[in-house]
Amino acid sequence: SQKIEQNSEALNIQEGKTATLTCNYTNYSPAYLQWYRQDPGRGPVFLLLIRENEKEKRKERLKVTFDTTLKQSLFHITASQPADSATYLCALVTSGTYKYIFGTGTRLKVLA
Amino acid sequence: DSGVTQTPKHLITATGQRVTLRCSPRSGDLSVYWYQQSLDQGLQFLIQYYNGEERAKGNILERFSAQQFPDLHSELNLSSLELGDSALYFCASSVDSAGYYGYTFGSGTRLTVV
Repeated sequence: SQKIEQNSEALNIQEGKTATLTCNYTNYSPAYLQWYRQDPGRGPVFLLLIRENEKEKRKERLKVTFDTTLKQSLFHITASQPADSATYLCALVTSGTYKYIFGTGTRLKVLA
Repeated sequence: DSGVTQTPKHLITATGQRVTLRCSPRSGDLSVYWYQQSLDQGLQFLIQYYNGEERAKGNILERFSAQQFPDLHSELNLSSLELGDSALYFCASSVDSAGYYGYTFGSGTRLTVV
């Protein structure tokens, strides 16, 4: 069956450390993958997109990698801050049909 | 403010009733998407419209319907409401039909069915 999985358990890290979140998928052929941030009671906010032929993308303190062999994307926040605390969602977009599938998200808490 | 406007922000209604959720996309965006988010569930895609035409359909119940008007705003109609329909309903918009540059989400409508 097709599925996209993120670690459902919350991730707690100390301020200043690098947070790494994982997004795994099975039985999809991705065109690209996106990462979103969602705060409680708010809509998700688009952060980064990475294409299936790209290995890595950076934006300020954010870095995304995409390994189509492992069927996995990693999302890193370096020098994390308490303000980075939120739920992070990955969204896989399938090639051809451009169907969007969201993961259930990983809740990140950065401790001061 | 993301530029996507959803009204109302909160809605409480009884089982069996019908409600309409409204969405105005960001200026210049032609695609509108509707998503449902329940507790412990991810974002479930309901339906997409692009420039007035239905583009894609997800797990939308037959009791639910939507449309996009010539001014590009969209409405999601939910009828014969059940307790399980209680959720956050998000509207998102994008400039293209594939959402390549990402979606811009509204702040959602929280629907409570009692």
